[in-house]
Amino acid sequence: AQSVTQLGSHVSVSEGALVLLRCNYSSSVPPYLFWYVQYPNQGLQLLLKYTSAATLVKGINGFEAEFKKSETSFHLTKPSAHMSDAAEYFCAVRKGGGADGLTFGKGTHLIIQP
Amino acid sequence: SQTIHQWPATLVQPVGSPLSLECTVEGTSNPNLYWYRQAAGRGLQLLFYSVGIGQISSEVPQNLSASRPQDRQFILSSKKLLLSDSGFYLCAWSGTYGYTFGSGTRLTVV
Repeated sequence: AQSVTQLGSHVSVSEGALVLLRCNYSSSVPPYLFWYVQYPNQGLQLLLKYTSAATLVKGINGFEAEFKKSETSFHLTKPSAHMSDAAEYFCAVRKGGGADGLTFGKGTHLIIQP
Repeated sequence: SQTIHQWPATLVQPVGSPLSLECTVEGTSNPNLYWYRQAAGRGLQLLFYSVGIGQISSEVPQNLSASRPQDRQFILSSKKLLLSDSGFYLCAWSGTYGYTFGSGTRLTVV
């Protein structure tokens, strides 16, 4: 069965500093991996996705993630944090053969210090 | 382009009352559809998914049910709500590799 672990329920960084949100996965099939962002009382917005092409994936809002099979990781980074990046971030892996949805991590709340 | 609609945005219901949340998708045909719940302080839990009209798969036993009466319509229901049904409910559809989420319904059972 697929699973996702997000290290750190809360991460605090200063504005302009590097953002690093950690995600490790477990999958019995070649994984499709996703990062979503959620602002308060809103749905989930896709930041980026890995679907077995390039291991370095660039997404929206300056975010990127690198798929490392040897480490079973898919960490999300952004070189310079902005106040508008404050939100909840979810890592997810596609379950099984594709029709049966995503398995999500518990989320990481990103706090940006002025 | 494809869009997904969910309503209502917020809902306050008494314990024991029925529930009906609706989700519709535009701009695509025969989508895979999903219902997720996000409880306070917890991640997202997949409740149901559907690969076609009348085809519903349940992920966890619970007080809720789902139906898909039309190709692009997905409904989440309950006959009698429990306090534990409170949460943020999200509908989603999947295209090639991608999953798009609706804006969610905040359900508070009182």
